[in-house]
This record gives sequence, structure tokens and C-alpha cells, in this order.
Amino acid sequence: SAVISQKPSRDICQRGTSLTIQCQVDSQVTMMFWYRQQPGQSLTLIATANQGSEATYESGFVIDKFPISRPNLTFSTLTVSNMSPEDSSIYLCSVVQGESYEQYFGPGTRLTVT
Amino acid sequence: GQNIDQPTEMTATEGAIVQINCTYQTSGFNGLFWYQQHAGEAPTFLSYNVLDGLEEKGRFSSFLSRSKGYSYLLLKELQMKDSASYLCAVRGPGAGSYQLTFGKGTKLSVIP
Repeated sequence: SAVISQKPSRDICQRGTSLTIQCQVDSQVTMMFWYRQQPGQSLTLIATANQGSEATYESGFVIDKFPISRPNLTFSTLTVSNMSPEDSSIYLCSVVQGESYEQYFGPGTRLTVT
Repeated sequence: GQNIDQPTEMTATEGAIVQINCTYQTSGFNGLFWYQQHAGEAPTFLSYNVLDGLEEKGRFSSFLSRSKGYSYLLLKELQMKDSASYLCAVRGPGAGSYQLTFGKGTKLSVIP
């Protein structure tokens, strides 16, 4: 399976600021996704990162708050904008390769907003 | 909508067998995943069931019954390193959908 890296691995940010998280894959992938895992909770899909076009957001998530880019088949970014303490969470990217439906997750970015 | 239920916590003894159940009521179903997540780490893929029946992969097996909306993950010869959360996730709706809806996870503690 693909090797997935995320930067930063963790960060502590002040409310009102923004943070951009990067997801890099070592080989081309079909699909890329962004998830959030709040403390003690399971994973919630934020959006599908579409290559060369606007991301597809799930209910409850909007582009102004979570802008996403995917300029090519191996890289995507998620920005958490105008952060509040409620945004404290682990943010994970996941990928699908080829025609499989199996999703593989990156190591995650642990964000704390103070 | 999607509703996925798993037990919150389970405890089992090293060397034993444990079965973690998952029931789902979903508007569309196209497969069920099991992931393992150690504390502070990302989920790792364990299994993907699309058709009814049991699939075995080493010490881990996964079972699916679509008519009952039921799956289980069976872990044999438990080891201390199996202490982790186990997440059940349903793919769908839509045959071509990649969307995964996760259950809240089952925290398994393996004791000596």
C-alpha cells in the first residue's frame, strides 16, 4: 500500500488563526479524503479532495472553514480556518489506490487550539 | 441515514479468542471495513467484506451477514499488542461511493 505522510504531526494554535495540513503520498492514488477525529470519538468524513477541482464536502462542513486543495494525484492540503477550541482534533487524510475501495490512512495531525 | 453500533469496551485474556460485534442500519450498503487503531495512532486496515460469509486473514477473521445487518471481527490467540480500538465502517450509499461511515469503535484491553 501507499506510504502516506502528513505535516505537521502536531501543532498548538491560537484561536482565530489558520493552519494548513499537508498530505503527501509516495505514489499516485485514485482518491484522497480528509477526516476529523475529535477526542474520544470516531472518525468523521470532512470532504473528498478532488484533483483539479473543488472538494466535495459532507454535511456540516463548508469550504470557507475547511478549504482543501489537491493540485495533483499525490498531494493535498486541508486548511482549518479561523480556529476555535472546538476545532481541537486529529485530522487524517486517507487514500484509495487503483480500483480498490480499501482506504488507507495517514498518521494524522493532532491539533490543539487554545 | 447511517447508524452503526459496537460495544464500547471489551476485555479479554492473552491467548484467548474474542469476538467484536458490529450492527448497522444504513440507507445504502456496499461493504464493511474493520480497522485497528492504537492509541495516538492512525487507523490501520484489517479487512473488507462485501459478500456474506467469513474471511480469514491470519489471526484475524471477519464475518458479514447483509440480511441481518451484522458483522463481527474475530481475534484468535490474543496478544498484548492487540490492545487497541477496533472500528467498524460501512461504505455507501451508492455502488460507486467511497464514503465511509464509522462506528464509535470498541476499545479492547488484553490482560495477562
